Amino acid sequence: AQRVTQPEKLLSVFKGAPVELKCNYSYSGSPELFWYVQYSRQRLQLLLRHISRESIKGFTADLNKGETSFHLKKPFAQEEDSAMYYCALYNFNKFYFGSGTKLNVKP
Amino acid sequence: SAVISQKPSRDICQRGTSLTIQCQVDSQVTMMFWYRQQPGQSLTLIATANQGSEATYESGFVIDKFPISRPNLTFSTLTVSNMSPEDSSIYLCSVTRAADTEAFFGQGTRLTVV
Repeated sequence: AQRVTQPEKLLSVFKGAPVELKCNYSYSGSPELFWYVQYSRQRLQLLLRHISRESIKGFTADLNKGETSFHLKKPFAQEEDSAMYYCALYNFNKFYFGSGTKLNVKP
Repeated sequence: SAVISQKPSRDICQRGTSLTIQCQVDSQVTMMFWYRQQPGQSLTLIATANQGSEATYESGFVIDKFPISRPNLTFSTLTVSNMSPEDSSIYLCSVTRAADTEAFFGQGTRLTVV
């Protein structure tokens, strides 16, 4: 069965520090993975997806099939990055979401 | 993109009553989904709303409790029936388009049952 795990409920870093939000998945096939973000008082929105292999707002995520991970990284966190981040796996017309990690970037 | 209008944005309801949540999309979409998000927890898929036919429910969710309609390609409703305090949650509408797996979300309905 598909499962997405985000081990950290809360991650606090100082502005300018590197940040890594962890995501592990269980899926036997070739997964399609995403990171969604929810800023305060805004709706959930797509941040990036693994197939596009692009950097959005300085964030990148690499799919590691050997470790079944899709960690989200940014070298220098900004205060405006503070938000809830959800890792998601898409399969057979459904999304499976992790429990989310709240990122708090302190000034 | 797809712009989703979800109504109401919040409500406080008496136990035993029902609430219908509406999801209107500004353009035709392929898939429409309803999720529940309980405090501090992940999004849980309730069902996929199928146009012109019965919704497809996930394990643990039944039509009698969460009847869903989707009369066309841009509109769906979710009813939370015979509510109890355990139904207090945020309910989210989400859509995807054909040939694209990006999901778009409504702003959510925050339901409190007292």
